[in-house]
Amino acid sequence: GAGVSQTPSNKVTEKGKYVELRCDPISGHTALYWYRQSLGQGPEFLIYFQGTGAADDSGLPNDRFFAVRPEGSVSTLKIQRTERGDSAVYLCASSLEAGGKYEQYFGPGTRLTVT
Amino acid sequence: AQTVTQSQPEMSVQEAETVTLSCTYDTSESNYYLFWYKQPPSRQMILVIRQEAYKQQNATENRFSVNFQKAAKSFSLKISDSQLGDTAMYFCASITGSGGTSYGKLTFGQGTILTVHP
Repeated sequence: GAGVSQTPSNKVTEKGKYVELRCDPISGHTALYWYRQSLGQGPEFLIYFQGTGAADDSGLPNDRFFAVRPEGSVSTLKIQRTERGDSAVYLCASSLEAGGKYEQYFGPGTRLTVT
Repeated sequence: AQTVTQSQPEMSVQEAETVTLSCTYDTSESNYYLFWYKQPPSRQMILVIRQEAYKQQNATENRFSVNFQKAAKSFSLKISDSQLGDTAMYFCASITGSGGTSYGKLTFGQGTILTVHP
């Protein structure tokens, strides 16, 4: 079956612009996660959804970052007034339910470059 | 809060040899899971192996096995009969099993770049 997909695969934007990154989880997965990975580092948690609601958004760095999952499937990560420090690979993952018992399946990521 | 530490930035091994990647972690939770993920240059993060903390027996998946030392909070990955396709960045990660502040989110280490030489 289809895995987790993310679009676009690469995004270049100018400092100060607004961007949206999309994640399509595996069908039937109720939990969806966003992570950010800087070059040569491990992914860092941003936010996760259980269904339509954000169960934990403690990893969002500031109020320029926002994510939604209105119908409990596709999710969009939104970044306002982008800064050069936002440049990273944004990874999305989904699992059947939240918690360590359930494997998180990762997408290929979106590489965001802010110039 | 959970922390995961990988102290080996890079490792290399000859094809068909065995290599061990180290990981230590810290958690206040009694119920948690530990993972090793592989990330090749394609960026796709792939689960290699998983260990449930309450299970005494070390997890094994084909050529991959772990040495889980709960008291020492150590979780190393052993790759036997290394293959060229094993070349990748390897991440150790943890997650709580139920409830708690870390429920639902993976905490990753810094990664170890493994290169398998022919």
